[in-house]
Amino acid sequence: DSGVTQTPKHLITATGQRVTLRCSPRSGDLSVYWYQQSLDQGLQFLIQYYNGEERAKGNILERFSAQQFPDLHSELNLSSLELGDSALYFCASSVEGLLPTGELFFGEGSRLTVL
Amino acid sequence: AQTVTQSQPEMSVQEAETVTLSCTYDTSESDYYLFWYKQPPSRQMILVIRQEAYKQQNATENRFSVNFQKAAKSFSLKISDSQLGDAAMYFCAYRSADAGGTSYGKLTFGQGTILTVHP
Repeated sequence: DSGVTQTPKHLITATGQRVTLRCSPRSGDLSVYWYQQSLDQGLQFLIQYYNGEERAKGNILERFSAQQFPDLHSELNLSSLELGDSALYFCASSVEGLLPTGELFFGEGSRLTVL
Repeated sequence: AQTVTQSQPEMSVQEAETVTLSCTYDTSESDYYLFWYKQPPSRQMILVIRQEAYKQQNATENRFSVNFQKAAKSFSLKISDSQLGDAAMYFCAYRSADAGGTSYGKLTFGQGTILTVHP
């Protein structure tokens, strides 16, 4: 158990819909990262938050957005869903903020299926 | 931008034997971290081993060891005495240590190598 909690574990929805994925980082971790894992694109970095502030942005679509709340949990919002958005979405956390010193700890992922 | 390449989509090994997974990366940075993560069928991403670029000594964790060649930008993983539980997808990952860089903090992953362990 990594200590990172993601909900829901599985989600099935239709094209055009909107979903929210939730992540609770490990206790004490200030940084949260979101990754998308699909068969054709592999593991892609989406976005990073540190202590409530967006710190880095990767290949995140405009239809997707995220935020980190004062209690440090994070949510990834996916809207106007398309078939190609079907993937495994990982949240990861790490303890450091200013300097990366350690590894990322991953949650079990949220499997999104868009029909 | 940094890239990580794993040239072996699939590898197989007999139980108790040794297998080496390859990874190369491209970067202009001098300070960074390298990792191997394991993803079993449960899909959980599990850290196997890490290497700091400033350390010349290769990292070792029990049956897992790396061969880090900084000049060649190579970072291979050796699994000794392979066990059935080692069967998984293995990802090589790069992480910049440059706090001012645009890639700071995030992990860049290779495409992964599926390891099969035969009894």
